[in-house]
Amino acid sequence: QITLKESGPTLVNPTQTLTLTCSFSGFSLMTSGVGVGWIRQPPGKALEWLALIFWNDDQRYSPSLKSRLTITKDTSKNQVVLTMTNMDPVDTATYYCAHRRTSDNAFDPWGQGTLVTVSS
Amino acid sequence: QSVLTQPPSVSGAPGQRVTVSCTGNSSNIGAGYDVCWYQQPPGTAPKLLIYASTNRPSGVPDRFSGSKSGTSASLAISGLQAEDEADYYCQSYDSSLRAWVFGGGTKLTVL
Repeated sequence: QITLKESGPTLVNPTQTLTLTCSFSGFSLMTSGVGVGWIRQPPGKALEWLALIFWNDDQRYSPSLKSRLTITKDTSKNQVVLTMTNMDPVDTATYYCAHRRTSDNAFDPWGQGTLVTVSS
Repeated sequence: QSVLTQPPSVSGAPGQRVTVSCTGNSSNIGAGYDVCWYQQPPGTAPKLLIYASTNRPSGVPDRFSGSKSGTSASLAISGLQAEDEADYYCQSYDSSLRAWVFGGGTKLTVL
């Protein structure tokens, strides 16, 4: 059974850097084809894909946020870390990590999500 | 502005059938990339409903079905139940953006 769980600060100040950790079990990020992605959802708004890292360390980023994002993995800890620089109130959202299915481009399952509020 | 376009809302009475459309372009759905659908009840994380445009994960009732044609895809829900009330999102991959892309979401209300 695959499970994922996000952790990190619930409140960050504007201009600060956000660091979120996705801890997972039930699969290995050393297995060919495996990927873990980050998706966010502002309150009352739609889902937005942010970044994804593959088993071979190939990193993909949303074109609109690429300059602010970094995604890394620690296979020994079964964790994926997302950092987002220069946080702004518009970045207030629930941040999800999710397992990318190896056979297609769907995300399944998702973590429970963590709400990050950007405010001074 | 989402890359994939969905209607903001749909509604139907219990037992009825509703469809949710998802329109893309020649860089995503029209390029042959699969579409998947997620169901998100209020306050919960999205759950995969349909993958590879037409397939249901185990445990998803066969009341849910997906289709794809050209640059569009659709999710059909038959035999509507109160528990189906949720937000529904389509998702695909865009080769021009080199990004995974979502629709703007559709809120299903069961009357």
